[in-house]
Amino acid sequence: GAVVSQHPSRVICKSGTSVKIECRSLDFQATTMFWYRQFPKKSLMLMATSNEGSKATYEQGVEKDKFLINHASLTLSTLTVTSAHPEDSSFYICSARQPANYGYTFGSGTRLTVV
Amino acid sequence: DAKTTQPPSMDCAEGRAANLPCNHSTISGNEYVYWYRQIHSQGPQYIIHGLKNNETNEMASLIITEDRKSSTLILPHATLRDTAVYYCIVRVADTGRRALTFGSGTRLQVQP
Repeated sequence: GAVVSQHPSRVICKSGTSVKIECRSLDFQATTMFWYRQFPKKSLMLMATSNEGSKATYEQGVEKDKFLINHASLTLSTLTVTSAHPEDSSFYICSARQPANYGYTFGSGTRLTVV
Repeated sequence: DAKTTQPPSMDCAEGRAANLPCNHSTISGNEYVYWYRQIHSQGPQYIIHGLKNNETNEMASLIITEDRKSSTLILPHATLRDTAVYYCIVRVADTGRRALTFGSGTRLQVQP
């Protein structure tokens, strides 16, 4: 079945540094990928829609200059958290839509801790 | 997308059937019922979906009422590994670029 690989699974960084999270569709091409954020015991919140070859679409309240999204190929989208602060600590999840059946496949998530 | 209502939490004994309800009284005729689950610290996983007929796959069964205003996800023989948050999502099966929207789901705890 369709697999989405997300890396790294865990990362700890210092305040003020930037962190890049990768999301790859391993056996299918994904023109559209999605990035979510999840706080403890809360549901997933959509941050942005990543479109291959064009700018990402951000949800209201999500700072596009802080959460940089690049979707340079049909199998890779990256989320860069710039100038990270402790409040950016969260669980980040990516998702890709399969062209064959329009189903959604999710990555395993990235636990970001900013110290 | 139609609004869904799920109980916040449920318990189930290991080996017994887990029946997770979902209300979606404002569902439209072209909207499907999807179920996903999220095991702790993992990404969501697709379980099953249906339009109006009951559906079954290797993971679960989906029972949709005749008026389509509610549905039940059935895990026939729950195991400890089925402990997760289960999300019921109602939406059209479009080909566009819309993301899935998650509600608060039901936290299922399977007890040994």
